[in-house]
Amino acid sequence: EVQLLQSGGGLVQPGGSLRLSCAASGFTFSNYAMVWVRQTPERALQWVSAISGSGGHTYYADSVKGRFTISRDNSKNTLYLQMNSLKTEDTAVYYCAKEGLEWEFSNWGQGALVTVSS
Amino acid sequence: EIVMTQSPATVSVSPGERATLSCRASQSVSSNLAWYQQKPGQAPRLLIYGASTRATGTPARFSGSGSGTEFTLTISSLQSEDFAVYYCQQYINWPPFTFGGGTKVEIK
Repeated sequence: EVQLLQSGGGLVQPGGSLRLSCAASGFTFSNYAMVWVRQTPERALQWVSAISGSGGHTYYADSVKGRFTISRDNSKNTLYLQMNSLKTEDTAVYYCAKEGLEWEFSNWGQGALVTVSS
Repeated sequence: EIVMTQSPATVSVSPGERATLSCRASQSVSSNLAWYQQKPGQAPRLLIYGASTRATGTPARFSGSGSGTEFTLTISSLQSEDFAVYYCQQYINWPPFTFGGGTKVEIK
């Protein structure tokens, strides 16, 4: 059974940093691209970042480019999102998700709340 | 960026009735469209991909149709566990992947 267990999140001041983790099990982690998606307080879903199975290719939404870094450790079956220079508009629940057979997101983590506030 | 628009924002349906949800893309996404269900306090769950292929575990009462710019998710006979918010997502032209704003299916 595919499982994605997230950790990290919390309250941080504007300009601060936070790292999210997503521990994967139940599938061959290195064979699949992974993504981060966030859900705003208004309930909108926004794609944040994606990374290839090998980690060699990364992609970012314009809103986070230059501030967030996606990475993975295939030896630990873990996905990361390093978030720097956080802004109040980054406040959201962040989900990790696994690539499906096409580019749908077949499995999701439980989510981690990130609140950026002074 | 492809903009996804869902309608209506909310649909009120009685248990056992049919619900029809719409999703429109600002340009063709062919059949590269997924539907997700989200219940309160839970992560989204994949229902449909490829516009019409049910994901593992998706009940047969859920069906997806359409291609190009117009898509429909139909729930043939609503069960109590189907009352939730539904999102569509395109994945033909990325980055960025884009989602619709969601349709809430509520009890009439």
